[in-house]
Amino acid sequence: AQSVAQPEDQVNVAEGNPLTVKCTYSVSGNPYLFWYVQYPNRGLQFLLKYITGDNLVKGSYGFEAEFNKSQTSFHLKKPSALVSDSALYFCAVRDYNTNAGKSTFGDGTTLTVKP
Amino acid sequence: KAGVTQTPRYLIKTRGQQVTLSCSPISGHRSVSWYQQTPGQGLQFLFEYFSETQRNKGNFPGRFSGRQFSNSRSEMNVSTLELGDSALYLCASSSSGGGTNEQFFGPGTRLTVL
Repeated sequence: AQSVAQPEDQVNVAEGNPLTVKCTYSVSGNPYLFWYVQYPNRGLQFLLKYITGDNLVKGSYGFEAEFNKSQTSFHLKKPSALVSDSALYFCAVRDYNTNAGKSTFGDGTTLTVKP
Repeated sequence: KAGVTQTPRYLIKTRGQQVTLSCSPISGHRSVSWYQQTPGQGLQFLFEYFSETQRNKGNFPGRFSGRQFSNSRSEMNVSTLELGDSALYLCASSSSGGGTNEQFFGPGTRLTVL
């Protein structure tokens, strides 16, 4: 079984400050980890993924995420937040032997960046 | 390349009716998944189709069904609608269906059951 936890329903940051959106996971084998963003009345957009290799993964719009195997975490980060980053963020996990179609998503974290 | 398209974008139905939602994946993508998104339950996996075969199924009642055509387009059907079926239904496609591939989501169909 696979599961994802996003412990914060809401994250508030000031524009220009660094942001972190937290994600922890549980899988039986090696994980494949993903971050998606959802803007109002839109579908989810892929931001970045960790499959293997470097623990620090860089993605779209200046976002990055750090894979930490010992802490089973995959936190999303950005050095300097923009008001336009305000959206709903989802972490997703898949076990290495699970195909692409069946991802398990966290409950989402609403990020609000204030000017 | 065109993205994932879903039709219709909005639907209003009454209890007991049935509904069919349609999804056209990105050209060349063979895996199509369906998710239900509600404020209380988040994103819940419904099922996945790959090359016209249902490959995975979530924990939803049999009222929820789907199919995939030879051109990879997919439809989802919900029969005997209940108030609790009101949700945003998202379709996502993936290229080969392998575990390392990300999914590309459509804008969703907003279903309201009265």
